[in-house]
Amino acid sequence: DIQMTQSPSSVSASVGDRVTITCRASQNLNNWLAWYQQKPGKAPKLLIYAASTLQSGVPSRFSGSGYGTEFTLIISSLQPEDFATYYCQQANAFPYTFGQGTKVDIK
Amino acid sequence: EVQLVESGGGLVQPGKSLKISCVASGFTFDHYAMNWVRQVPGKGLEWVSGITWNSNNVDYADSVKGRFTISRDNAQRMLYLQMNSLRIEDTAFYYCAKGPDATGDYFDHWGQGTLVTVS
Repeated sequence: DIQMTQSPSSVSASVGDRVTITCRASQNLNNWLAWYQQKPGKAPKLLIYAASTLQSGVPSRFSGSGYGTEFTLIISSLQPEDFATYYCQQANAFPYTFGQGTKVDIK
Repeated sequence: EVQLVESGGGLVQPGKSLKISCVASGFTFDHYAMNWVRQVPGKGLEWVSGITWNSNNVDYADSVKGRFTISRDNAQRMLYLQMNSLRIEDTAFYYCAKGPDATGDYFDHWGQGTLVTVS
């Protein structure tokens, strides 16, 4: 199975900060990577797919980049509604696997 | 508006069976792959199973292979997960998740989840 490793596991930040989350894969994914946001008690929400394509309706302060085994999610200016847990997911091969999550909380 | 509503979760004893369901609305159900993803409360996400639009291809996580069966009824816009030989470690919220196309890959819409407790 493809292992997905996110870092950091948590980050404390303030409104307006730039936040960067990294996801590393144990095998080449090409660009078969997605990012999700999950708030407490809610289902995950797709933010980005194909490593860098913004899902419809997602604010442009979210961006994704990367190819192969290393990927990045950037929130350019953190907003109050962005405090949540973020997961990466590889879609290159079954079984699909997720990173362990990165919790973004208030500093 | 895409809506996915799971049902059928509950308390079940180890070794027993349970079947959970998901009813879909707001999109052409038989054009899209569907999946089940689970989450132990307070923990991360685990993909469980996926099925293509026409049921010709199904896949499972190793942790459930041989015990769980995914199926769909396109006429009724329903997705199912038959869970047999349940284990304590199967306790989780189970989410129904829609693929972006006929074969899968990502999950662009999710249900609210149904809690399965094995104890």
